[in-house]
Amino acid sequence: AQKITQTQPGMFVQEKEAVTLDCTYDTSDQSYGLFWYKQPSSGEMIFLIYQGSYDEQNATEGRYSLNFQKARKSANLVISASQLGDSAMYFCAMREGTGGFKTIFGAGTRLFVKA
Amino acid sequence: DGGITQSPKYLFRKEGQNVTLSCEQNLNHDAMYWYRQDPGQGLRLIYYSQIVNDFQKGDIAEGYSVSREKKESFPLTVTSAQKNPTAFYLCASSIAPYSNQPQHFGDGTRLSIL
Repeated sequence: AQKITQTQPGMFVQEKEAVTLDCTYDTSDQSYGLFWYKQPSSGEMIFLIYQGSYDEQNATEGRYSLNFQKARKSANLVISASQLGDSAMYFCAMREGTGGFKTIFGAGTRLFVKA
Repeated sequence: DGGITQSPKYLFRKEGQNVTLSCEQNLNHDAMYWYRQDPGQGLRLIYYSQIVNDFQKGDIAEGYSVSREKKESFPLTVTSAQKNPTAFYLCASSIAPYSNQPQHFGDGTRLSIL
């Protein structure tokens, strides 16, 4: 069965430093997609970055990059040059390609950026 | 400007009452979803719909109902059978059925019991 695990309930990072948020997943499918979303205190979910299971390069979007290690089934989010506005909940999610629709979410990691 | 609109932002329910949460999208997406989020937790899928007039139960559908009469609209009714409805409800949509497409979310509705 699909499963997403985020083992860090909370993380602190100094402003302008980099931080890594961990995500491991479990699936029996060969085709799947991995997503990271940001949820500020206002509640909306903001899509950050996507990695496909067949993508050979790690995905990058501005200050966000995804450290994809397929054999270890991990998809860690790296935020470079942290800003105060990065303080939020971060969710890792997975959608199986053969299943089509269902996306499952991890429990999230709350990131606190210190000035 | 395309997006998803959820209303109301805050909703209060009395005991024994059904309430309906609205979700409208103008992104021309085929798939729509409803999630429930409890404090400090991730999202759990209530219902999803791939096309008009079709929807499937998610992981926690008991006590909820939906309809999909129009592509743009996917309202969620929280019935009196849902004994613990206090939560944050998020509606989402995506281009179906491709797994590389992210979901787009509304701003959510916070439901509380009076």
